[in-house]
Amino acid sequence: DSGVTQTPKHLITATGQRVTLRCSPRSGDLSVYWYQQSLDQGLQFLIQYYNGEERAKGNILERFSAQQFPDLHSELNLSSLELGDSALYFCASSPRPTDDTEAFFGQGTRLTVV
Amino acid sequence: AQTVTQSQPEMSVQEAETVTLSCTYDTSESNYYLFWYKQPPSRQMILVIRQEAYKQQNATENRFSVNFQKAAKSFSLKISDSQLGDTAMYFCAFMKQNSGGSNYKLTFGKGTLLTVNP
Repeated sequence: DSGVTQTPKHLITATGQRVTLRCSPRSGDLSVYWYQQSLDQGLQFLIQYYNGEERAKGNILERFSAQQFPDLHSELNLSSLELGDSALYFCASSPRPTDDTEAFFGQGTRLTVV
Repeated sequence: AQTVTQSQPEMSVQEAETVTLSCTYDTSESNYYLFWYKQPPSRQMILVIRQEAYKQQNATENRFSVNFQKAAKSFSLKISDSQLGDTAMYFCAFMKQNSGGSNYKLTFGKGTLLTVNP
């Protein structure tokens, strides 16, 4: 158990809908990262938050947004869902931006868009 | 931008034997980290081993070791005495090292599916 909790574990929704994925980082970790894992794109970095602020952005669609709350949990919002958004979404956390950091991954949320 | 290439989509090995997974990367950075992550059927991403680019000595973790060739930008993973529980997808990953730590995103390869046969 990495200490990173993602909910829900599975989500099935229809095209055009909006969903929210939740991530609770390890206790004390300030950084949260979101990754998308799909068959065609592999594992791709979406976005990073550090202590409530957006720190880095990757290949995140405009239909997607994220935020990190004062208690450090994070939510990834996916809207106007398309079939191609079906993927495994991972959250990872790390303590602080020192040179010795590593990312701890949650078990992921499997999103299926039908 | 960094790229990570794993040229072996699938590999298999007999239990107790040794297997080597390949990874090459491309970067203009001089300071970075390289990782191997394991993703078993449970889909949990588990860190197997990490290598700092400034260290010449290859990292080892029990049965897992790497062959890091910085000039060739190669980072292979050797698994000795393979066990059934090693069956998983293995991902090679790159992370740029930033002083002040503004960006610790990982760039992953496409993965190698390793099957350990009894």
